[in-house]
Amino acid sequence: GNSVTQMEGPVTLSEEAFLTINCTYTATGYPSLFWYVQYPGEGLQLLLKATKADDKGSNKGFEATYRKETTSFHLEKGSVQVSDSAVYFCALGYNQGGKLIFGQGTELSVKP
Amino acid sequence: GAVVSQHPSWVICKSGTSVKIECRSLDFQATTMFWYRQFPKQSLMLMATSNEGSKATYEQGVEKDKFLINHASLTLSTLTVTSAHPEDSSFYICSARIEGGRTDTQYFGPGTRLTVL
Repeated sequence: GNSVTQMEGPVTLSEEAFLTINCTYTATGYPSLFWYVQYPGEGLQLLLKATKADDKGSNKGFEATYRKETTSFHLEKGSVQVSDSAVYFCALGYNQGGKLIFGQGTELSVKP
Repeated sequence: GAVVSQHPSWVICKSGTSVKIECRSLDFQATTMFWYRQFPKQSLMLMATSNEGSKATYEQGVEKDKFLINHASLTLSTLTVTSAHPEDSSFYICSARIEGGRTDTQYFGPGTRLTVL
């Protein structure tokens, strides 16, 4: 069946460090891939998405490229800020409004 | 943007009692709402899909008699955990779907933490 695997957290970085959170997936057909972010006390928010192979999603300095050959959708940011501290979830689905399959989440903590 | 609220944000109950969790779309109508469950350090697991005015569709392995879902209006869905036991302790998250035209998006509530003693 379909599944998503993320790197385990927590990840602790200093401000302005480079961030990579790994995400790999198993799926049939051609799903879309998503990254969601959950700030403390808030609901999950869509951070970025990619709907087909080789697409790059980007938002707020974060990027992820849909790599079908490696079944990956790694999240990157060149210079993290304290305000990026949150839990990040990788997910797949066949449309963003429909059923989603989530990875286990990766907690990011950025220290000043 | 679209806002989804959940009430209560946390609840503690005794084993054997029932607990109701509300999910509301505050500024839009949602024909579909989803209920997820999240265990510590684990992913969100979809429990059921709730459609306004019809019975919920449960995922495999979810006990429909234990987790009662009611989607009585376009802005409210409720999840009732019946005869709760400690193993039902978890973080429950809902989301609400907006469909129409080129839009197909879901917005998530902040979650409800249930602790069963």
